[in-house]
Amino acid sequence: AQSVTQPDIHITVSEGASLELRCNYSYGATPYLFWYVQSPGQGLQLLLKYFSGDTLVQGIKGFEAEFKRSQSSFNLRKPSVHWSDAAEYFCAVVPLQNDMRFGAGTRLTVKP
Amino acid sequence: GAVVSQHPSWVICKSGTSVKIECRSLDFQATTMFWYRQFPKQSLMLMATSNEGSKATYEQGVEKDKFLINHASLTLSTLTVTSAHPEDSSFYICSARQGADYTFGSGTRLTVV
Repeated sequence: AQSVTQPDIHITVSEGASLELRCNYSYGATPYLFWYVQSPGQGLQLLLKYFSGDTLVQGIKGFEAEFKRSQSSFNLRKPSVHWSDAAEYFCAVVPLQNDMRFGAGTRLTVKP
Repeated sequence: GAVVSQHPSWVICKSGTSVKIECRSLDFQATTMFWYRQFPKQSLMLMATSNEGSKATYEQGVEKDKFLINHASLTLSTLTVTSAHPEDSSFYICSARQGADYTFGSGTRLTVV
């Protein structure tokens, strides 16, 4: 079945530590790939997106993501997490320019 | 950049009444708009896809007679929750597509009492 999976429901990291949030997709062709962040009670903010080309994508707030076709993955990374990064992170896919589907989300907690 | 305005940002209504939520693309024309529902601590679930001038396509399990979607122009789509019940209380978010770009509204918190 076609799907987008975020294996980690909740991740806790210390402030200043590195972060990697995982995202895997299961579609026949490589979909468009996105990462969004959502603070409680708020809308979505786009962090970055991948359509084609360079597989390492730079986004806002110091985030980057790497597309790996062989692993059907699009993991989000940040070298040094700040307390303000605590939020819910969603991976999303758009297969064949269709509608956008979201992963279950990963809640990030940042320890001081 | 592209902006999508969604109103109201929050609404409280009595059980049995109807509520309309508007989603406008302010500086671009959106041929396709999407409506999502998000329950607390859960992901966004696609409810329906609407194309300007045609009937919306609903996801399986979403009642089309309860969640009426109108996409009368290239800049406006509305979602009407009819005969709302407490279980319809949720966060509703719209998205407008222009080419390969998807822009989200800020969401509407609906509480049915």
